[in-house]
Amino acid sequence: EPEVTQTPSHQVTQMGQEVILRCVPISNHLYFYWYRQILGQKVEFLVSFYNNEISEKSEIFDDQFSVERPDGSNFTLKIRSTKLEDSAMYFCASSEGGPRSEQYFGPGTRLTVT
Amino acid sequence: SQQGEEDPQALSIQEGENATMNCSYKTSINNLQWYRQNSGRGLVHLILIRSNEREKHSGRLRVTLDTSKKSSSLLITASRAADTASYFCATDAWAAGNKLTFGGGTRVLVKP
Repeated sequence: EPEVTQTPSHQVTQMGQEVILRCVPISNHLYFYWYRQILGQKVEFLVSFYNNEISEKSEIFDDQFSVERPDGSNFTLKIRSTKLEDSAMYFCASSEGGPRSEQYFGPGTRLTVT
Repeated sequence: SQQGEEDPQALSIQEGENATMNCSYKTSINNLQWYRQNSGRGLVHLILIRSNEREKHSGRLRVTLDTSKKSSSLLITASRAADTASYFCATDAWAAGNKLTFGGGTRVLVKP
């Protein structure tokens, strides 16, 4: 069964460093998303991406964040200058269509900022 | 703001028993989806119920949706130890595009 994959599974970085989290969505899906979950808290929406552009972003997704689909398969989340409070589990998700479509999540990347 | 909230926060049952958890939300929705998360792991999609549906089944799972009460329930029948996990509801709404808004989850412990 097709699934969303994410790499790395765990990333440790120092405050102020740039990180790139990678995702390979399900191949025939058109909508891509990033969410994050700070330890012990709810899963929060960051950004959605469709047709090579951001369709929606949350207040969390400030200028330090960017997303890219560099080729036909990868979808990346870049954090330019990490802060301690960026430590969280980051989930990529994809869906086949827009409204009324299931979103399938990857296993997540645990980001630890020290 | 639209928000899913699960009830109870935690549930402990014996293997073979049924587990029921509820989700409430505040604004009109397109769909409501239920996910499972094992400790520290990814979110596994369980079931999607649309706003015009009242009940859906998938294996041992039964989901109901009452849009008049803005609530949903997830029933796991004949629970197994492997069902031990956190369960989350997530909603999306016309006004919010496709983004999902998650509740805080119900932690379910199934004792063998």
